[in-house]
Amino acid sequence: GIQVEQSPPDLILQEGANSTLRCNFSDSVNNLQWFHQNPWGQLINLFYIPSGTKQNGRLSATTVATERYSLLYISSSQTTDSGVYFCAVDFPDSNYQLIWGAGTKLIIKP
Amino acid sequence: DAGVTQSPTHLIKTRGQQVTLRCSPKSGHDTVSWYQQALGQGPQFIFQYYEEEERQRGNFPDRFSGHQFPNYSSELNVNALLLGDSALYLCASEGAELEAFFGQGTRLTVV
Repeated sequence: GIQVEQSPPDLILQEGANSTLRCNFSDSVNNLQWFHQNPWGQLINLFYIPSGTKQNGRLSATTVATERYSLLYISSSQTTDSGVYFCAVDFPDSNYQLIWGAGTKLIIKP
Repeated sequence: DAGVTQSPTHLIKTRGQQVTLRCSPKSGHDTVSWYQQALGQGPQFIFQYYEEEERQRGNFPDRFSGHQFPNYSSELNVNALLLGDSALYLCASEGAELEAFFGQGTRLTVV
C-alpha cells in the first residue's frame, strides 16, 4: 500500500548545527508538504514541494519524485526549531487524503 | 488575511456527551478536512468536505460526523464521547492550489 516513512525518528542537536530530515514515499505524488508542529500543537507550513528545490531562509527542501524521496535541510539550528517535523503526501490513489509520516522529533539544545 | 481559525481552543467533556468543534477556512479556500491527533502520534484523517458534501472519509466510526456550510466553514460533531476521543482535533483548508493550511487545533479532553 501507499506509505510515507520519515527518518530519523528523533534528533538531538546543539544550537548552530545543521540537520537533514528525510521522507521516503512509496508511489508518485500529486503533492508533498513539510510541516513543523510546535510544542503548542500548531502545524506550520514549511514547504509545498511535489518536486524540485525550494529555500526559505535557513530552511530548504528538495523532492526527487523519480526516486521517491524528499529532504528537509535546517541550517544553523535555533532552539525555536525544536518540535516535530512531518512530511505529508497526497498520492493519486489516496482520494484527497494526506498520508502522513510518523514525524521526526527534533530537539535543539542551547 | 485570516488563516484557518478553530474554536474552541480547549474543551473538557464527560463520557457519553456530545461535542461540536468549528472551523473557518482560510480566505479563498473551499475544502475543509478534519484530523484527530493523539499525543505522540501523527494526524489521522477523519473526513473532508467540499461543496457542502463529505467527499472522503477515514477510518472513524459514525459517531464522528460533520457539516460544511455555504460559506465553506465546517463543524465536526462527535457523539457518545469515549475517553479515547481525547485528542487534538485539527482542521485544514485547501484551495485550488491544493496546499493544506492548518488551524491551531482544539484540544478535547474527555473525563
